[in-house]
Amino acid sequence: GAVVSQHPSWVICKSGTSVKIECRSLDFQATTMFWYRQFPKQSLMLMATSNEGSKATYEQGVEKDKFLINHASLTLSTLTVTSAHPEDSSFYICRAMPGLAGGGGSYNEQFFGPGTRLTVL
Amino acid sequence: AQTVTQSQPEMSVQEAETVTLSCTYDTSESNYYLFWYKQPPSRQMILVIRQEAYKQQNATENRFSVNFQKAAKSFSLKISDSQLGDTAMYFCAFYPRRGQKLVFGQGTRLTINP
Repeated sequence: GAVVSQHPSWVICKSGTSVKIECRSLDFQATTMFWYRQFPKQSLMLMATSNEGSKATYEQGVEKDKFLINHASLTLSTLTVTSAHPEDSSFYICRAMPGLAGGGGSYNEQFFGPGTRLTVL
Repeated sequence: AQTVTQSQPEMSVQEAETVTLSCTYDTSESNYYLFWYKQPPSRQMILVIRQEAYKQQNATENRFSVNFQKAAKSFSLKISDSQLGDTAMYFCAFYPRRGQKLVFGQGTRLTINP
């Protein structure tokens, strides 16, 4: 099956710094990528949807200027947490959706990355 | 807007027993997909089983099967002969169509005891 990677898998940073998380589709082209946030023992909360070459669409209540999403290529999307604070500590997961002509399985497939644990001190 | 409800926050059964996790959803769509995901301690989301709404036959994957009741908007997961490795969070998810949001339930924490 299709593979999605995330890097880093775990990051610890100081309050006020910025952290970039990468999500890559390794063997297919992902026209759309979704970013989720998950707090301990809770469900996944959609933060934003990104389409290659266009601006991301953010969910209500998600700060666009704090969580910068870039989807510059068909295999890479990045989430940058700017001026991170302890309350941003969470588990971030990406989901990649193949393009119709990009391979990677049928259109109803859902491919998740392994997640990134962010701890802000 | 679509919603997904998992009414059992936690469940616990003995190894080899059968357990059923419940899920209900609300939608006005006529065709859609439903998924059950497993999230073990590693937190990697693993697809357990999926059901296409237009298919009347319930999906089955080895020890995992679903009871899909479209009129009742119910989608329960049955795990037969449960194993210790089945211990995980289980999420029910609704997917209306390509490119749309995947809507998750709150999750059920399942523990299989030896």
